[in-house]
Amino acid sequence: SAVISQKPSRDICQRGTSLTIQCQVDSQVTMMFWYRQQPGQSLTLIATANQGSEATYESGFVIDKFPISRPNLTFSTLTVSNMSPEDSSIYLCSVGSGILNEQFFGPGTRLTVL
Amino acid sequence: GIQVEQSPPDLILQEGANSTLRCNFSDSVNNLQWFHQNPWGQLINLFYIPSGTKQNGRLSATTVATERYSLLYISSSQTTDSGVYFCAVYPRAGGTSYGKLTFGQGTILTVHP
Repeated sequence: SAVISQKPSRDICQRGTSLTIQCQVDSQVTMMFWYRQQPGQSLTLIATANQGSEATYESGFVIDKFPISRPNLTFSTLTVSNMSPEDSSIYLCSVGSGILNEQFFGPGTRLTVL
Repeated sequence: GIQVEQSPPDLILQEGANSTLRCNFSDSVNNLQWFHQNPWGQLINLFYIPSGTKQNGRLSATTVATERYSLLYISSSQTTDSGVYFCAVYPRAGGTSYGKLTFGQGTILTVHP
């Protein structure tokens, strides 16, 4: 399976600021996704990161709040914009070799907003 | 959309005990995965099992797709098994949920020494 890294691993931020999270994979992958896990909750899909085009967002998530880039088949970024304490969560990227294939997750970024 | 229900929500065991975790889903699925989330938040792949039975050491999983459930068996549990176990499915039906992994709410497992 692919080796996935995320930066930063954790951060504490002030409300109103923005944080960009990076996801790097050691091999080219077809599918890349971003998830949010709020405290004590399950994982919720934010968006599918599409290489060379705009991300596909799930209901309840918008590009202005969570802009995503995917410049190539091994790298993606998620920005959490204009943060509030409600954005405190673990953010995880995942990858898959095909649309229905097994997904593998990065180690996550633990974000606390004060 | 598809509903994924896991039971029990919480489970407390003594080291060495066996356990069975269940995942029910409300519609046909293309694939199913079991994950273990450790206390540091890392999601570890346990099984990719759309149907049938697989075993990996002390863990095994069975999916009966026609009856819309999957079971995860943990034998001789260890303290390192503690964490949250998630079941996630790819809905078979088309539409906006196609190709998107849908997670259950998880089972929190605590294994005491």
